[in-house]
Amino acid sequence: GAVVSQHPSRVICKSGTSVKIECRSLDFQATTMFWYRQFPKQSLMLMATSNEGSKATYEQGVEKDKFLINHASLTLSTLTVTSAHPEDSSFYICSADQIGQGGEKLFFGSGTQLSVL
Amino acid sequence: AQSVAQPEDQVNVAEGNPLTVKCTYSVSGNPYLFWYVQYPNRGLQFLLKYITGDNLVKGSYGFEAEFNKSQTSFHLKKPSALVSDSALYFCAVRDRMDSSYKLIFGSGTRLLVRP
Repeated sequence: GAVVSQHPSRVICKSGTSVKIECRSLDFQATTMFWYRQFPKQSLMLMATSNEGSKATYEQGVEKDKFLINHASLTLSTLTVTSAHPEDSSFYICSADQIGQGGEKLFFGSGTQLSVL
Repeated sequence: AQSVAQPEDQVNVAEGNPLTVKCTYSVSGNPYLFWYVQYPNRGLQFLLKYITGDNLVKGSYGFEAEFNKSQTSFHLKKPSALVSDSALYFCAVRDRMDSSYKLIFGSGTRLLVRP
C-alpha cells in the first residue's frame, strides 16, 4: 500500500534553533499534503494545507512565519519550525492526498516528536 | 463548518465483548467519513472509510462502522474486542464539496480492553 515517510521521528533541539521535518510520499504523487499538530492526549489540529508549487494555506491562529512550509514537488513537503521555543514541543504529523483520487485516499506519516529545551 | 464529535473520552470493555466507539459529524454537504487508530507515539493507521454505497463499512482488524445519515453518525464497532485493540481512535470527516480536501478530526476516544 501507499506509504508516507516522515523524518525525523524524534528531534530534540535547543530553544532558538530551527528544525526541519520532511514528509515524503514514497510510491504515489500527492498534490496536497497536510500538517497536523497533536498535544498529549489530544486530537490532531490541522495547521496548514500544502499544495505543490504554491503557498501553503494556514489555519487560523497558526503563525506562517514560524511554521514554514515548502511543497517543492509532488512527493515532498517540509515543515520548518523556526526559532523554536519550548511551547512548540509537540507531535507533528503529516498526511498526503493521493493525486487523482478525489480526496478519497489520504495517507499519514508516522509523526515527529519535537522537544525544545 | 465541518465538525466531528466523539462524546466519550474513554470506552472500557472486556475482552471478547462487543465494542462501540461513537462518532457524530456535521458538514454542509455530503461527507467522507474515516476512522483511524493511533498507538502511543505513532502516526495514524487507517481503519475504514465511508465514501458512498453500502452504509455498513467493513475495515481492518475486524472493525466495521455504520453510516447513518439521518442521525449524522458513524459509530465504530467490533463484535469481539481484543486486548490488542486498546488504543486511541479518531473519527474524521471531510466535506466532499470542499475542494481543499481538509480532514477534520474528532477529539479521540481511548479504548481500553481488559483481559
